[in-house]
Amino acid sequence: DGGITQSPKYLFRKEGQNVTLSCEQNLNHDAMYWYRQDPGQGLRLIYYSQIVNDFQKGDIAEGYSVSREKKESFPLTVTSAQKNPTAFYLCASKLLGEDGYTFGSGTRLTVV
Amino acid sequence: GESVGLHLPTLSVQEGDNSIINCAYSNSASDYFIWYKQESGKGPQFIIDIRSNMDKRQGQRVTVLLNKTVKHLSLQIAATQPGDSAVYFCAEIYNSGGSNYKLTFGKGTLLTVNP
Repeated sequence: DGGITQSPKYLFRKEGQNVTLSCEQNLNHDAMYWYRQDPGQGLRLIYYSQIVNDFQKGDIAEGYSVSREKKESFPLTVTSAQKNPTAFYLCASKLLGEDGYTFGSGTRLTVV
Repeated sequence: GESVGLHLPTLSVQEGDNSIINCAYSNSASDYFIWYKQESGKGPQFIIDIRSNMDKRQGQRVTVLLNKTVKHLSLQIAATQPGDSAVYFCAEIYNSGGSNYKLTFGKGTLLTVNP
């Protein structure tokens, strides 16, 4: 079955460490997105990519980095520069020219 | 209603009642809208969508109404069931040209269905 997979589901990180969240899709979608969700708030866009080897900053890109070396994969690195990284992170993908977005099941990152 | 601080707007209904969840969007040029349902610890699931050239669309037990004059969306759920309990988000999509889409989410409403 086609879909979008995020791993791990739960992730713990010590302060000052970088950590990478995985997002893989086998839907042949062109565009991929990373969102952050905090309690009681909507989703906020971190980064997005519409084509391999290209990506753009979203609304809250500071302290994050991404890469898009393959169409299927869009990993997100939460760096030590991100001051408040504890959150629920959602990856989404979309076929350009169509309207529907597909979401992964999310990764909950906790800084300990 | 409006969310304050970290608290989501909440709606509590009895099983079998109809639910109406409201959402205000920000960009008058947004041309496509989606309602998502998100259960605890999971990603958002698509419920229903509507284009800006429509003011109403019906699905199975759900209806979305769009009022572009006041930039307002509502989601109506008929005969609400306990399985409908979740956070509901509206999302607006703005196409700034070509393949440039911007998806913006509302803060969400927590729906609790009491048996």
